[in-house]
Amino acid sequence: LAKTTQPISMDSYEGQEVNITCSHNNIATNDYITWYQQFPSQGPRFIIQGYKTKVTNEVASLFIPADRKSSTLSLPRVSLSDTAVYYCLVGDAGAGSYQLTFGKGTKLSVIP
Amino acid sequence: DAMVIQNPRYQVTQFGKPVTLSCSQTLNHNVMYWYQQKSSQAPKLLFHYYDKDFNNEADTPDNFQSRRPNTSFCFLDIRSPGLGDAAMYLCATGGGLGQGTNTEAFFGQGTRLTVV
Repeated sequence: LAKTTQPISMDSYEGQEVNITCSHNNIATNDYITWYQQFPSQGPRFIIQGYKTKVTNEVASLFIPADRKSSTLSLPRVSLSDTAVYYCLVGDAGAGSYQLTFGKGTKLSVIP
Repeated sequence: DAMVIQNPRYQVTQFGKPVTLSCSQTLNHNVMYWYQQKSSQAPKLLFHYYDKDFNNEADTPDNFQSRRPNTSFCFLDIRSPGLGDAAMYLCATGGGLGQGTNTEAFFGQGTRLTVV
């Protein structure tokens, strides 16, 4: 399993763009990169997933360089409600391998 | 509509008294997961099922068992809860082959277990 490394915490002011980078040097060919958001006392929630290049949805963008050894989650114009822990996961899409292992995550605090 | 439902949301059990947590899903997903999450820590995978195939994490204590009688339901049994087992227990489901990419998981609200 590819191990992931993220900053433990980040602070941002409301309205700013936030970029959280995740390192996954040992990513395998079949691995997808997925980001989850977790609020206190709730289960994690899927945000975005990608394999390479750039993926965008209504919530965030995910940038993956050609070597796929890192990825960056970009949250545009954050608000106080974006205060949460963000987890980067790397998972194998192959048959028989469905382990979803969470790393330590990044605690994002949005400041008014 | 809730797609992964965990009952109860809060569970208090006595030290050493067996307890069962339940999870149900309406997504018809092949894969179901159980995680343990302690305060200020990341969710820790205990085990997962692909259909009826059970996969135990190497460091999951024997005190934790699981049952999946059908696609929709999965149970976590803690045979003799200790104080260190107090945590949030999260159930999640994921799609298998042909059901989309495999790393998107859907989580329930969790059951917070207190051991007294």
